[in-house]
Amino acid sequence: AQKVTQAQTEISVVEKEDVTLDCVYETRDTTYYLFWYKQPPSGELVFLIRRNSFDEQNEISGRYSWNFQKSTSSFNFTITASQVVDSAVYFCALSEGGAETSGSRLTFGEGTQLTVNP
Amino acid sequence: ETGVTQTPRHLVMGMTNKKSLKCEQHLGHNAMYWYKQSAKKPLELMFVYNFKEQTENNSVPSRFSPECPNSSHLFLHLHTLQPEDSALYLCASSQESQQGLYEQYFGPGTRLTVT
Repeated sequence: AQKVTQAQTEISVVEKEDVTLDCVYETRDTTYYLFWYKQPPSGELVFLIRRNSFDEQNEISGRYSWNFQKSTSSFNFTITASQVVDSAVYFCALSEGGAETSGSRLTFGEGTQLTVNP
Repeated sequence: ETGVTQTPRHLVMGMTNKKSLKCEQHLGHNAMYWYKQSAKKPLELMFVYNFKEQTENNSVPSRFSPECPNSSHLFLHLHTLQPEDSALYLCASSQESQQGLYEQYFGPGTRLTVT
């Protein structure tokens, strides 16, 4: 069975600080996908990134960066120079399986509430 | 309209009422999902529809009844709900193919309160 653990329930930082959100996953599959989503107070989950298990290259997108390490089953997310608008709940998710047409099943972590104070 | 839309955004219903939640996706995707998000709990997958066929029902009580008339529309029919069913119900869609799994795009959700 697959499992995603986000050990940090809440994080509070001051604007312009860097912050890293941790995500540890468990899976028996060799092919899987990892995701990060942002949920602002409005409620809608916003897709941030998808990474497949064969691509361990780290990625940077503006102030966001992701560190994927299979050796430690982690997919951590760093926000550089945080801003008040980054305040949200961030979810890490895992989907197992290769080429299937039965619909992907995302297993979500419990989320990390990030508060960025001015 | 673009993306995934859900109506209504807020719903208050009594335990004896019957209501329906509606979801529509404008992304040309072939899979749609219902999730339940309760306070202090991870998102729970309720139903999966792929190519309009239900492929998963995660032990959801029969008082929740999904319907997928076409690949763009998804409904969740509610009847005789319980107060513990109060939650945010999120709809999502994705494009599934033999090439792999792709990200799901979510709607804004329906905040349901059962009184």
